[in-house]
Amino acid sequence: SQQGEEDPQALSIQEGENATMNCSYKTSINNLQWYRQNSGRGLVHLILIRSNEREKHSGRLRVTLDTSKKSSSLLITASRAADTASYFCATGSGNTPLVFGKGTRLSVIA
Amino acid sequence: NAGVTQTPKFQVLKTGQSMTLQCAQDMNHNSMYWYRQDPGMGLRLIYYSASEGTTDKGEVPNGYNVSRLNKREFSLRLESAAPSQTSVYFCASSGIAGRHSDTQYFGPGTRLTVL
Repeated sequence: SQQGEEDPQALSIQEGENATMNCSYKTSINNLQWYRQNSGRGLVHLILIRSNEREKHSGRLRVTLDTSKKSSSLLITASRAADTASYFCATGSGNTPLVFGKGTRLSVIA
Repeated sequence: NAGVTQTPKFQVLKTGQSMTLQCAQDMNHNSMYWYRQDPGMGLRLIYYSASEGTTDKGEVPNGYNVSRLNKREFSLRLESAAPSQTSVYFCASSGIAGRHSDTQYFGPGTRLTVL
């Protein structure tokens, strides 16, 4: 059963705009991770935020985590056509395997 | 470093046929995973192995078997393929034995069609 649920399911923006996608989860976590999947490829890890962290940056990515609301957001600033992909959140809880959401499909139009 | 490799890339089977999907990693990782990905369903865990010699069922294990051949290799077997097993299969690995909340590294996937 899915733990993380991304929102929206699909997002279409113009190049240069910011893209925000959200992830909600149900149970307590050790960390939350975001992955990208280009069409027809395997998932690639983007960023990991631990349960005691509130915000983390990596290049044009900014991730926030609100454990009281059991939610996270991924912001991609100044989007490029190459950012077109599906983005998945995954929650890590102790010794159980990661649980992935269903993903947000991002289209960045040049 | 090749990372995580999977063979074959594509496969077409007839109902009832069997096959084995191969996965290998060269990152000296302890934990390995098999997922299937269906449209609109995200990734679902089939089986995983926390370390060499151990395997555990995931969310959707029915119709599959696995073998952790050694630390590098983790294979997935379909004994009698069914059309419902048409999917894209991904193998992944992570570093620390049993610490499944670590970052996972994925292979390129195997696209399987069962007719």
